[in-house]
Amino acid sequence: SQQGEEDPQALSIQEGENATMNCSYKTSINNLQWYRQNSGRGLVHLILIRSNEREKHSGRLRVTLDTSKKSSSLLITASRAADTASYFCAYDRGSTLGRLYFGRGTQLTVWP
Amino acid sequence: GAGVSQTPSNKVTEKGKYVELRCDPISGHTALYWYRQSLGQGPEFLIYFQGTGAADDSGLPNDRFFAVRPEGSVSTLKIQRTERGDSAVYLCASSSSGRDKFFGPGTRLTVL
Repeated sequence: SQQGEEDPQALSIQEGENATMNCSYKTSINNLQWYRQNSGRGLVHLILIRSNEREKHSGRLRVTLDTSKKSSSLLITASRAADTASYFCAYDRGSTLGRLYFGRGTQLTVWP
Repeated sequence: GAGVSQTPSNKVTEKGKYVELRCDPISGHTALYWYRQSLGQGPEFLIYFQGTGAADDSGLPNDRFFAVRPEGSVSTLKIQRTERGDSAVYLCASSSSGRDKFFGPGTRLTVL
């Protein structure tokens, strides 16, 4: 399978804590993206990092990419109950327009 | 502006029946994607259209699955002789540049 793999599968934290999710993959990639999904329905794009980038920030989100280790991490700082959702990493392999390979996701629960 | 819409939101059918799932992409988006997501899994690529043509249909699981986009806008995913294993949420996404793929809310298909 060419799917990525997220770790942990589930994460439960208190509001105000930081949440870190990891993603590993097994092949060469072009871009890696993180998505959020509420209640098993529509996916919302969070952030994209290119294969030649190492770190990117967007608001409370920080994404890192280590192509030598074929891994990425998503850090959500100062989490809120509204951050409760499933988070997926997804990568493409040469064309930004092409298919995405998704991982199985991390279910994040933030308790108020 | 409207996002990607999918109809119906839920579809219950009996094994062996034919179903059609519809996707209305964001106006002007030339790229359209279909994914399938089973419970507890990440989305799995099915097919990608660029305009009216299928640029990549390598994710279609077998010849019971077919998709069209005759005028380069609305797309229909067609499943013949449905099986219980086809039960999943079918997600559609559209994009203009490829970097940002906007997902619809999905159609939850249940095959009894």
